[in-house]
Amino acid sequence: EVQLVESGGGLVQPGGSLRLSCVASGLTVTSNYMSWVRQAPGKGLEWVSVLNTDGSTDYADSVKGRYIVSSDKFKNALNLQMNRLRVDDTGVYYCARQSESSFDHWGQGILVSVSS
Amino acid sequence: IVMTQSPLSLPVTPGEPASMSCRSSQSLLHTNGYNYVDWYLQKPGRSPQLLIYVGSLRAPGVPDRFSGSGSGTDFTLKISRVEAEDVGVYFCMQGLQTPRTFGQGTKVEIK
Repeated sequence: EVQLVESGGGLVQPGGSLRLSCVASGLTVTSNYMSWVRQAPGKGLEWVSVLNTDGSTDYADSVKGRYIVSSDKFKNALNLQMNRLRVDDTGVYYCARQSESSFDHWGQGILVSVSS
Repeated sequence: IVMTQSPLSLPVTPGEPASMSCRSSQSLLHTNGYNYVDWYLQKPGRSPQLLIYVGSLRAPGVPDRFSGSGSGTDFTLKISRVEAEDVGVYFCMQGLQTPRTFGQGTKVEIK
């Protein structure tokens, strides 16, 4: 059974940094396309970033240059380093396994609050 | 690619059918014949779950009362007989290009 468990969220001031982690079981992170998707309070879903199986990455324009996605092979984890955080980065962040074109497994989500 | 859903709110009666629409700003039909649109359900307080992928294929464990149809830029999700557990927000998403983009969601609630 696939499980994805996010951690590392919390309250941070604008301009600050946070590092999210998503530990996987039932799949190998580096053998799968893995994405981060976020959801602002009461809003819809926004794709944030992807780590491809060849190690390449891609980002939404809204986070490009501020966020870095990576993997930790030993922990079987997907990480998201978030820098220069803004108020509009607030929301629940989900990690998700991308199978072909679809997100077929999601974590439970972790809340990131950016506020002064 | 912009995804537009309608209606945004859908009151439903248990046992009755329900239908919602998703329109994309460009064709999601791949040369392989598949339409790269998914449907997800986010139940209250829960993570999204995959219902339908490539337009019409049900994800494992999804009841057969859910069906997806459409091609090109117009897609539909139908529930043949709504059950109380089907309440939540339904999102469509295009899987053709990065960045993946989602519709605004259709909120389904019991009348």
